[in-house]
Amino acid sequence: NAGVTQTPKFQVLKTGQSMTLQCAQDMNHEYMSWYRQDPGMGLRLIHYSVGAGITDQGEVPNGYNVSRSTTEDFPLRLLSAAPSQTSVYFCASSYSIYRGAGETQYFGPGTRLLVL
Amino acid sequence: GNSVTQMEGPVTLSEEAFLTINCTYTATGYPSLFWYVQYPGEGLQLLLKATKADDKGSNKGFEATYRKETTSFHLEKGSVQVSDSAVYFCAKGGGYQKVTFGTGTKLQVIP
Repeated sequence: NAGVTQTPKFQVLKTGQSMTLQCAQDMNHEYMSWYRQDPGMGLRLIHYSVGAGITDQGEVPNGYNVSRSTTEDFPLRLLSAAPSQTSVYFCASSYSIYRGAGETQYFGPGTRLLVL
Repeated sequence: GNSVTQMEGPVTLSEEAFLTINCTYTATGYPSLFWYVQYPGEGLQLLLKATKADDKGSNKGFEATYRKETTSFHLEKGSVQVSDSAVYFCAKGGGYQKVTFGTGTKLQVIP
């Protein structure tokens, strides 16, 4: 198993550009999520999905879109990049929402985004 | 409230020293509690967890006990190694697998 994979590893954008951060998992996990990590703020939830076709907003959703057309993939789209979106982005997955709140989350290696 | 508070770092220790990283939480009910570790340049990975009060999670010499009376889940290790240098995140579980993370504590162990 490759686990959770993310591409690209690093990206530089200009203000106003759009891009998609890719996330895929091969563990047949139902739950997937996107976090951003900023110094002194820990990880903040952007969007999450409890299964194919179902997504919802997290703590900091503005400026980001997601979709979940398959169990494996959960891309994050930046519609019009802003310097405030400079961050490290992590995708995570876990097995099932029905096994209680004690499920382990598996994280990808992260995408480092710089918006100029 | 619905938060996780952990001690600010960085924490610098000599090899073989005793480690404590404090973590407290606020929540309604009794959430599952986690410690995740992030090594340089990598994503987070689970270190240990406890799913109910008085449970002790342990892994790689690290331990943490779920204390409902003090709403705490402090991380401890008796003898740290240079290879333990990383950022440690305390976290609590919520509905639909949503997890709330603390701000992270950077640990640096010097030889």
